Amino acid sequence: GAVVSQHPSWVICKSGTSVKIECRSLDFQATTMFWYRQFPKQSLMLMATSNEGSKATYEQGVEKDKFLINHASLTLSTLTVTSAHPEDSSFYICSASRGAFSTDTQYFGPGTRLTVL
Amino acid sequence: EDQVTQSPEALRLQEGESSSLNCSYTVSGLRGLFWYRQDPGKGPEFLFTLYSAGEEKEKERLKATLTKKESFLHITAPKPEDSATYLCAVQAPVDSSASKIIFGSGTRLSIRP
Repeated sequence: GAVVSQHPSWVICKSGTSVKIECRSLDFQATTMFWYRQFPKQSLMLMATSNEGSKATYEQGVEKDKFLINHASLTLSTLTVTSAHPEDSSFYICSASRGAFSTDTQYFGPGTRLTVL
Repeated sequence: EDQVTQSPEALRLQEGESSSLNCSYTVSGLRGLFWYRQDPGKGPEFLFTLYSAGEEKEKERLKATLTKKESFLHITAPKPEDSATYLCAVQAPVDSSASKIIFGSGTRLSIRP
C-alpha cells in the first residue's frame, strides 16, 4: 500500500509556457500532500504543503503565483509552473500523507523532471 | 535553528563490509525521524519512522536507531543493490497544530562488488 504516482515523469517545454504536474495517491486517501524540488546532488526542498479543499501553504521564498497548487480531492494534487523559465528546470517530487497537519509518514511519488528551454 | 546533518556525505564500501550512516539533529520537540532511500532520478522510498529515543527498526540488511540527538542507519553485509542516497528527515512542531519536515542532505552510498 501507499503508492503515489506522478504524471508526467518528464517534460520539456519552451520558456514562457505553463506546465502542469499531477500527483495521485493510488491506494489511500491523502489528507496532506507536499511538493518538493530537488537540484542535482542536493536534498529535497519543500515548496508547499496542501490540504484537500484548502489553500496551499508555501514555504518562504516560494512564489505562490508562480507555482500554483490545487488539492482538488483526497487523491489528487496538481502543481502548475506558470510562465516557466530555464531556472525553473528541476526535479519536482510530490509526497502524500494520510494524516492531517503532516504528522504522518510521507510517501513519495517518482518525481517529474522539468526542463525549460 | 532546527537543523539536520548527515554524515558522511559519501561512503564507498566493499560488498559485505558493514557500516553506519549518521543523522544528527537539533530540533525542538521531535515528532518523528524518517529514513528514506533514493535512487538516481527517482523519488525517495520510505524505509523507517522512529518516534522516541531508544527505538529501533529493522528491514533486511538495514537497522535504524534513535537517540535524543542522532539516528544511525546501520547496514550489515551490504550488497551492490544497496547503493543509493539515504536521506534522513525530522519532523518538528511549528505550533500546536502544525509541524514541518526538514531533510538532511543525504549520504551517497556506493557498494563495490
